[in-house]
Amino acid sequence: SQQGEEDPQALSIQEGENATMNCSYKTSINNLQWYRQNSGRGLVHLILIRSNEREKHSGRLRVTLDTSKKSSSLLITASRAADTASYFCATGVRLAGNMLTFGGGTRLMVKP
Amino acid sequence: DTAVSQTPKYLVTQMGNDKSIKCEQNLGHDTMYWYKQDSKKFLKIMFSYNNKELIINETVPNRFSPKSPDKAHLNLHINSLELGDSAVYFCASSQDPQGRNTEAFFGQGTRLTVV
Repeated sequence: SQQGEEDPQALSIQEGENATMNCSYKTSINNLQWYRQNSGRGLVHLILIRSNEREKHSGRLRVTLDTSKKSSSLLITASRAADTASYFCATGVRLAGNMLTFGGGTRLMVKP
Repeated sequence: DTAVSQTPKYLVTQMGNDKSIKCEQNLGHDTMYWYKQDSKKFLKIMFSYNNKELIINETVPNRFSPKSPDKAHLNLHINSLELGDSAVYFCASSQDPQGRNTEAFFGQGTRLTVV
């Protein structure tokens, strides 16, 4: 099974609304990262939160991490149609090379 | 400048053939990876290669082999292609933190179709 699992698998909202995506994982981690993938493109890094951090902000993005529950959430505020994409969480574990393990992603659609 | 570039972007080939996908990064990173994304969008790590140390996901068939001529390149060779190998393959790179935390940079992907 996937180390990281996103919830929901798909989310459809109106422009201007907030979008919240959740991620759960199973093992101890170094960090948790969120990536975005537009259709037919590669993944783009959004934000990284270390295991000793609880919350992080970057522009309209807010990420929280609860290591006791092994979960994280990504909040996109004031969403735009251009935010339409798939969002993946990835966990970095204590291995040489910081190999990332990805979840199945949340497909976000923001309607104009 | 493209940070992580992979070629070709599309690859259509017949079952049983041997093919290669090339990847180059100009970021000076120490670690490179190959990921496979299936039709359901699940991303699975295949290999991690760092300073000549190869970490292999044990679920990857030995028909797949990474080849690294130098730190900036990690090519993926696939022998005896099967229909189930059809997927999008992503190359990525990152600094080897050895205890620190860094992000990965991804290429645009190679869509492999085996017919």
